[in-house]
Amino acid sequence: SAVISQKPSRDICQRGTSLTIQCQVDSQVTMMFWYRQQPGQSLTLIATANQGSEATYESGFVIDKFPISRPNLTFSTLTVSNMSPEDSSIYLCSVRLAAQYEQYFGPGTRLTVT
Amino acid sequence: GQNIDQPTEMTATEGAIVQINCTYQTSGFNGLFWYQQHAGEAPTFLSYNVLDGLEEKGRFSSFLSRSKGYSYLLLKELQMKDSASYLCAVGPGGYNKLIFGAGTRLAVHP
Repeated sequence: SAVISQKPSRDICQRGTSLTIQCQVDSQVTMMFWYRQQPGQSLTLIATANQGSEATYESGFVIDKFPISRPNLTFSTLTVSNMSPEDSSIYLCSVRLAAQYEQYFGPGTRLTVT
Repeated sequence: GQNIDQPTEMTATEGAIVQINCTYQTSGFNGLFWYQQHAGEAPTFLSYNVLDGLEEKGRFSSFLSRSKGYSYLLLKELQMKDSASYLCAVGPGGYNKLIFGAGTRLAVHP
């Protein structure tokens, strides 16, 4: 497995502002992903963070709203832009290690937009 | 389309056995995963099946039938700490994304 940390662990933000969430892994990983978990619901994949190139977004998610960076094999950021109360959610990063199929999740960032 | 179904809630008694079912319809298949998620925590990986049959790992076992699009997670000798949500997820193709079901909330009672 891998040790994954996220910052911040939680935040309360004003409508219209942006928040950048960081994900750090203790080893180099091939694949990194960002998920959203809305209250009482399951996980929805936002995008795959690609090292050195633009992220691959899932249907319903766009780069202008959720810009993602991945400058190296151990670090990624997700920005939630121009936030509205509907963006209140838990945001989780996950990684898949080489030669393994399962994904491991970070502790999540609990975002509340007021 | 992509669809993963699992029961919303289940209850069971400490020491008993419980089976959580999952059915799926996806455009491709590259494995079925089970995760456990305690309230307020991140999901933790439990099991992975890519071939038909039963995989056993301690008190937990997972079964897969690809022809039926069906899996189950079997929890034996239930403990109070097993109270959690159990998420079924499918890799629809390639080794990238996972599609998650809505999760089954399991409550274990004394």
